[in-house]
Amino acid sequence: DIVMTQSPESLAVSLGERATINCRSSQSVLYNSNNKNYLAWYQVKPGQPPKLLIYWASTRESGVPDRFSGSGSGTDFTLTISSLQAEDVAVYYCQQYYSTPMFTFGQGTRLDIK
Amino acid sequence: QVQLRQSGPGLVKPSQTLSVTCDISGDSVSRVGIAWNWIRQSPLRGLEWLGRTYYRSKWNTNYAVSVKSRLTISPDTSKNQFSLQLNSLTPEDTAIYYCARASPDTGAFDIWGQGTMVTVSS
Repeated sequence: DIVMTQSPESLAVSLGERATINCRSSQSVLYNSNNKNYLAWYQVKPGQPPKLLIYWASTRESGVPDRFSGSGSGTDFTLTISSLQAEDVAVYYCQQYYSTPMFTFGQGTRLDIK
Repeated sequence: QVQLRQSGPGLVKPSQTLSVTCDISGDSVSRVGIAWNWIRQSPLRGLEWLGRTYYRSKWNTNYAVSVKSRLTISPDTSKNQFSLQLNSLTPEDTAIYYCARASPDTGAFDIWGQGTMVTVSS
């Protein structure tokens, strides 16, 4: 299985400041035939199901605020929240869907307000 | 608008079988190219993909290695739903269980059920 490793495990950021979460895969999730990275980001708030934020490593899901952005390729990826809002407090997970059907998630990064 | 609605028990005894159902509205369990998944979340393991079912010429299922010997995922076309059955439960199976659709365009999990909190305890 592809192992997904996130860093940091938790972070605290001031309102209005930038938050950055990293994700590394144990092997490339870039599919050469279509040049797409099979990497998604999810937001999980207490009492709610996970919400898809980003797919193809950098494409925002419909309705997701543009302060959320994804970047990276191959094995190294980043989720950035450009200006942290109170409602962004959550746990964030990366997930690879390259190795079908053995989908794997990172261990999660808890984001709080400083 | 696609929605997934789950039903199932909250408390199950060790060694027993967990059954959770996911009702689909706004889409079809039989639609070719759509995979219907079960995923669980626990403090110990985070998010863990368990398995999926999908129709492509015939019904197919795939299971995570960690639960393969204990898990059955079944579609029910008459009710437009799919279900999870996990047997030989232990306290380590305590988790929130989610059903989720894999997007036909991207493969990411774009629609999720509300979740079923399952506690395995005597």
